[in-house]
Parts: sequence; C-alpha cells; structure tokens
Amino acid sequence: AQSVAQPEDQVNVAEGNPLTVKCTYSVSGNPYLFWYVQYPNRGLQFLLKYITGDNLVKGSYGFEAEFNKSQTSFHLKKPSALVSDSALYFCAVRDSSPGNNRKLIWGLGTSLAVNP
Amino acid sequence: GAGVSQSPSNKVTEKGKDVELRCDPISGHTALYWYRQRLGQGLEFLIYFQGNSAPDKSGLPSDRFSAERTGESVSTLTIQRTQQEDSAVYLCASSSFVRNTEAFFGQGTRLTVV
Repeated sequence: AQSVAQPEDQVNVAEGNPLTVKCTYSVSGNPYLFWYVQYPNRGLQFLLKYITGDNLVKGSYGFEAEFNKSQTSFHLKKPSALVSDSALYFCAVRDSSPGNNRKLIWGLGTSLAVNP
Repeated sequence: GAGVSQSPSNKVTEKGKDVELRCDPISGHTALYWYRQRLGQGLEFLIYFQGNSAPDKSGLPSDRFSAERTGESVSTLTIQRTQQEDSAVYLCASSSFVRNTEAFFGQGTRLTVV
C-alpha cells in the first residue's frame, strides 16, 4: 500500500540556521514526490516536486529537497531559515506506475517554527 | 478558470441542517480531491474523482457525507444533518491527467456548526 510518513509533528529552528523537514514514502513503483506549504489561514501552495533526473530538486522560496531512493526519503531543506518560513509543511506521493491509481497520498504535516 | 475556486468561503450552520459546498476545478483537470482539515491538523482525505472512473469514496467518514461531480466540471460536497464535529475547513484540489503534475488547491470552505 502507498503511504507517506512525516515523522516529526513539529520542527523548531533558529532564524539563519539550516532547516530540514523529513518525509519518507512507500509506493509499489517509482514515486512522484511533492512538497506543499500552508501558511496560517491559507490554502496549500505547491513548493517543489521530484519526477525524474537530478536527486536534488530546487523549488520556491529557496527550498530544496533531496530524493534518496535507497532510503525512500524526500526531505525538505533550506540552508538559512527565515521567521516567515514558519508554516505547516506537507509531503505527498503518487505512484508513477501505469494503472488507474493516480491518487495523491499525503503525510500528516509538520509544523515548522522559526524563532527569531 | 485561473485557479481552483471554492464557495462559500465561510459557512455557519445550525446542527442538524444540511450544507452543500462547491468546488470549481481548473479547466481541463480530470482529477479532483476533497479533504477535511481540522484546526492545526493534517489533511483528512474524503473523496477522489478521476475522469469517468468510479470515485474513491474510501475517506468519507459517514453516510451523511456525499459528493458528486459531473464529468470534469464542478463538484459538490454535501453534508446532511450536520454535527458539531463536522466543523472544519473543507479543501478541494484538482490536477491534470498527467501523473507528474502537482495538485492545485482552493482556499477552502470554513464550516462552523453551531
């Protein structure tokens, strides 16, 4: 069965420090992986995705994510956190295999707090 | 349209009443999702439509919840005999037929049952 795990409910980091938000997945075929951010009282915004090619994917607002097939992970990273990065972050996966199951599977979210 | 549109943006209803929430997906998007999000929580999957395939209703929490979609257009989520625990933000998202494209979310409908 397909699944996504975000093992940390909350991540706290000081402004200016690097941040990592973890995501691991399980799919039967090759994955398509996505990260979204949700600011308070807002809808979800797409940050970045991994489809194929380079394992390091760069996205919006200086975020990047590294696809690691052997560890089935797709951790979100940023070299220097900003207070404005404080938000809820969601990881999602879709199986790339042919067939009818195109549904996106979501993690439960990680709340990131960047302290000034 | 330019993005996913949901209406109403806010809905306050009395316990026991029925409510209908509407989602207008991006034109041409064959996939449509409904999610429920309680305050500060993650996304709770409700239902998934993909083209003309039978919808995946596995997330609907009870038979009070139902959703319809005609073709690749508007979807409505109906909650009958609302209960206070139904209070949440209901999010709709759509995506294209191509598997490697991201989903786009509406701003949600905040439902409050009093």
